[in-house]
Amino acid sequence: DAGVTQSPTHLIKTRGQQVTLRCSPKSGHDTVSWYQQALGQGPQFIFQYYEEEERQRGNFPDRFSGHQFPNYSSELNVNALLLGDSALYLCASSLSGPDNEQFFGPGTRLTVL
Amino acid sequence: DQQVKQNSPSLSVQEGRISILNCDYTNSMFDYFLWYKKYPAEGPTFLISISSIKDKNEDGRFTVFLNKSAKHLSLHIVPSQPGDSAVYFCAASVDFGNEKLTFGTGTRLTIIP
Repeated sequence: DAGVTQSPTHLIKTRGQQVTLRCSPKSGHDTVSWYQQALGQGPQFIFQYYEEEERQRGNFPDRFSGHQFPNYSSELNVNALLLGDSALYLCASSLSGPDNEQFFGPGTRLTVL
Repeated sequence: DQQVKQNSPSLSVQEGRISILNCDYTNSMFDYFLWYKKYPAEGPTFLISISSIKDKNEDGRFTVFLNKSAKHLSLHIVPSQPGDSAVYFCAASVDFGNEKLTFGTGTRLTIIP
């Protein structure tokens, strides 16, 4: 049973470009959350998707957007990249409902030059 | 505004001794607390959690203590083993199950053989 997978593993972009990161949830999970982990910091919540809708959102600008597909996989899009967007982007999946733990993928390391 | 704080960036402990990792929080709405362990190039892995209705939860070598009045929790690892060397994140949420997690900045634990 595959866990949470993310692609690509690493990515290098330049300022002003746009990027799309992908996440496949753990089998049976229907909820996907995205987190940004800057160097030396803990993960910060970006948003969560359930039933193809954004259910919760953290304190991130509109440049950060997402999507969830009918198969529960998800994408994170970041427009107009800034140097400060350089970070590890983590995807976590869970099964909707109470008492269900979030399982994290290995992350995508984004470097903005 | 750092709502979850881990004031010790690093901790070194002799193998076989007790490791104590500390975490403080400021948001009174937090109702559920979790500890995650992270190895390099991997996503955070859930370790142990505690609900605010309890003051202690044990799972094998790991015990989490919660002091609600002090808004403080700690993770005890006894005995410490070399495989415990990792970064440990404290996280909190207003409920368990699909609620966004607010993380601390992490403590790097090194177990000395």
